[in-house]
Amino acid sequence: GAVVSQHPSWVICKSGTSVKIECRSLDFQATTMFWYRQFPKQSLMLMATSNEGSKATYEQGVEKDKFLINHASLTLSTLTVTSAHPEDSSFYICSARETGDNTGELFFGEGSRLTVL
Amino acid sequence: AQKVTQAQTEISVVEKEDVTLDCVYETRDTTYYLFWYKQPPSGELVFLIRRNSFDEQNEISGRYSWNFQKSTSSFNFTITASQVVDSAVYFCALIDNDYKLSFGAGTTVTVRA
Repeated sequence: GAVVSQHPSWVICKSGTSVKIECRSLDFQATTMFWYRQFPKQSLMLMATSNEGSKATYEQGVEKDKFLINHASLTLSTLTVTSAHPEDSSFYICSARETGDNTGELFFGEGSRLTVL
Repeated sequence: AQKVTQAQTEISVVEKEDVTLDCVYETRDTTYYLFWYKQPPSGELVFLIRRNSFDEQNEISGRYSWNFQKSTSSFNFTITASQVVDSAVYFCALIDNDYKLSFGAGTTVTVRA
């Protein structure tokens, strides 16, 4: 089956630094990718929809200047948490929709756990 | 707007018992997809099933079975003869025409030996 890879799996950073998380579709092209955030013992919340070659669409309440999304190619979307603070510590997970697919199928990455000290 | 409700926060059973997880959804779309995912302690999401709104056939896969009833907007999931390895958080989710996946709050299943 299709594979989506996220990197890094774990990252610990100091408050005030920026962290970049990559989401790659390894064996298919993904015009659209999605970024989710999950706080401990909570559900996954959609942060934004990443569209190749255009600006991301952010969900209400998500700061676009804080969470920069770039989808420069059909196989890669990146999420950069800028000036990270301890409250940004969370599990970030991406999913990808294969270009042209209308079957509802989505492929998830393994997730990236961010800890901000 | 769409919404997925998993009313059960936690379920604890003894091994070999059956466990049913409830999922009720709301959507205005006539075409939609429903999902169940398993999230073990390691964190990754494990895909279990995808069902489109036009297919109300129930499905069985090994010890897992799903009951989809459009009349009650429910998509319940049953684990038969539960095992310790079934312990995880289970999420029901719905996707609409925008392909945005909305997750329920999740149900934590603990299977005791």
